[in-house]
Amino acid sequence: KAGVTQTPRYLIKTRGQQVTLSCSPISGHRSVSWYQQTPGQGLQFLFEYFSETQRNKGNFPGRFSGRQFSNSRSEMNVSTLELGDSALYLCASSPVGAGSGNTIYFGEGSWLTVV
Amino acid sequence: AQSVAQPEDQVNVAEGNPLTVKCTYSVSGNPYLFWYVQYPNRGLQFLLKYITGDNLVKGSYGFEAEFNKSQTSFHLKKPSALVSDSALYFCAVRDGAGNNRKLIWGLGTSLAVNP
Repeated sequence: KAGVTQTPRYLIKTRGQQVTLSCSPISGHRSVSWYQQTPGQGLQFLFEYFSETQRNKGNFPGRFSGRQFSNSRSEMNVSTLELGDSALYLCASSPVGAGSGNTIYFGEGSWLTVV
Repeated sequence: AQSVAQPEDQVNVAEGNPLTVKCTYSVSGNPYLFWYVQYPNRGLQFLLKYITGDNLVKGSYGFEAEFNKSQTSFHLKKPSALVSDSALYFCAVRDGAGNNRKLIWGLGTSLAVNP
């Protein structure tokens, strides 16, 4: 069974640009969560989608947005990039979400560098 | 508020010795607790979780964790460390209620196993 797939793996953007990251969950998983990982802040929860609906949201500005498609694939978008947005962005999937006690499975992440 | 703490930024242990990576939590109600491991430039991999039942939970790669309700701890242990166990370890606890549940993550503990 294929794992969680994230694309692209590495990207470099300029301040002020916008970026879209993609996540394909494990087949049959309907919940997709996004996290930002930085050395000083650890893992910060961005949002969770379930059946195309945002179910939960972390404390990030509105520049961070996401969506989920009917096949459970998800995208996240960051507009007006800032230097501080440089991070590893991780996607995780689970059958119905970690809130139920499900194990969540992570992709390899997308490394974003903003210059 | 719900929280999870990993009091040690780094743990050093000699190969073959037992290892412990500490995690304490603060939740209302019954905790759901998780341990994940992250190898360099990779996503997080699930090790084990406690939902209910036996306080001693066995997981992947020979790891185990002991749930201690009175001390609100969920320490990760392994009887004999391997150099290949060197990685970043994250503890997480379920937060929130109803549809607002999400995982709260510790800041991680870097484990170095010396040959």
